[in-house]
Amino acid sequence: SAVISQKPSRDICQRGTSLTIQCQVDSQVTMMFWYRQQPGQSLTLIATANQGSEATYESGFVIDKFPISRPNLTFSTLTVSNMSPEDSSIYLCSVSSLRGVHGYTFGSGTRLTVV
Amino acid sequence: KQEVTQIPAALSVPEGENLVLNCSFTDSAIYNLQWFRQDPGKGLTSLLLIQSSQREQTSGRLNASLDKSSGRSTLYIAASQPGDSATYLCAVTAETSYDKVIFGPGTSLSVIP
Repeated sequence: SAVISQKPSRDICQRGTSLTIQCQVDSQVTMMFWYRQQPGQSLTLIATANQGSEATYESGFVIDKFPISRPNLTFSTLTVSNMSPEDSSIYLCSVSSLRGVHGYTFGSGTRLTVV
Repeated sequence: KQEVTQIPAALSVPEGENLVLNCSFTDSAIYNLQWFRQDPGKGLTSLLLIQSSQREQTSGRLNASLDKSSGRSTLYIAASQPGDSATYLCAVTAETSYDKVIFGPGTSLSVIP
């Protein structure tokens, strides 16, 4: 399965600033996924990022708040913009091969605290 | 709409016990089911993947079963160890939408030395 490198692993940010999270995969993948995990909660899908097209956002998530880039088949970034304490969460990227046939692989996560 | 639940929400056992974690899903039209482990503040590590046509998968001390028609999966951990302490999540992928993975809330496991 793919190996994902996610950076940063954690950060403490000031209210109103933005943070960009990077996800690098060791093989080419068609689709990359970004998830949020709020404290004590399970994972919620933010958006699906396809190379060469706009990301598809889930209900409750908008591009202005969570812009995503996908410049090639091995890399993606998620930006959390104009942060507030409610954005304090773990953010995870994920990939699948063969559209889920081999399951999903996750990055190590970014633990974000907004103060 | 697919919903995934996990029972129990938390479990504390003495080292060496065998234990079972349960996962239920409301829509049996799944493509596969995956069990993950998550350590505090970390990402997810895949433990076992069961395709919809399979009944079980085994890896070391772990065994996962799938009863698709009844919407249930169990994760069996044999001879538990303190290092098994973590949150265990099950996730299902829908037959009609491979891109959508629905996660359960997780079971927090604590193995006491």
